[in-house]
Amino acid sequence: SQQGEEDPQALSIQEGENATMNCSYKTSINNLQWYRQNSGRGLVHLILIRSNEREKHSGRLRVTLDTSKKSSSLLITASRAADTASYFCATDHTGTASKLTFGTGTRLQVTL
Amino acid sequence: GAVVSQHPSWVICKSGTSVKIECRSLDFQATTMFWYRQFPKQSLMLMATSNEGSKATYEQGVEKDKFLINHASLTLSTLTVTSAHPEDSSFYICSAAGGLGRGDNEQFFGPGTRLTVL
Repeated sequence: SQQGEEDPQALSIQEGENATMNCSYKTSINNLQWYRQNSGRGLVHLILIRSNEREKHSGRLRVTLDTSKKSSSLLITASRAADTASYFCATDHTGTASKLTFGTGTRLQVTL
Repeated sequence: GAVVSQHPSWVICKSGTSVKIECRSLDFQATTMFWYRQFPKQSLMLMATSNEGSKATYEQGVEKDKFLINHASLTLSTLTVTSAHPEDSSFYICSAAGGLGRGDNEQFFGPGTRLTVL
């Protein structure tokens, strides 16, 4: 299975703190994407980082990619209660015709 | 932006019946659509990839005769769960890709369909 692993599985922080989630994968990628999913809802695309990029920012989000370690991290700064959701990384692997393989996910709980 | 809709958003059916779920790309033509299944508190698992006008490609372990996929046009794909059983109860999500000139083959996800089989 190419499914990536994410850690932690669950993360509980207070509003204003930063949240860091990590994703590891197994085979080479074209790009890696991060998604958010609120309970029982669809996916919201957050950010895409290509295999030749090392870091990307979007608002309060910062994503890093280390292809030598086959890992990525998602940092949410100054978290808000509205950030409470599950976060998934998804990898577009080389030679798989654009199929995405989703990681196991991190459930983030941001409390007031 | 690219919008993908799914219908219905939820459905409850009796065991043994068939259920059809529609996935539509509303503002772009999707050359490829993907169907995923997600069990509670788990990740998305790809079920199949469908290209317009051709047969779907199913992932290992997914029964093609049970999960019928039709991609008749560039804006519509359907997933039919035949002879549904309680173990088929799940959240089914589709995504659409292609046609926007983006080099990353970005997928746009529908809001999902909650299927409950009694």
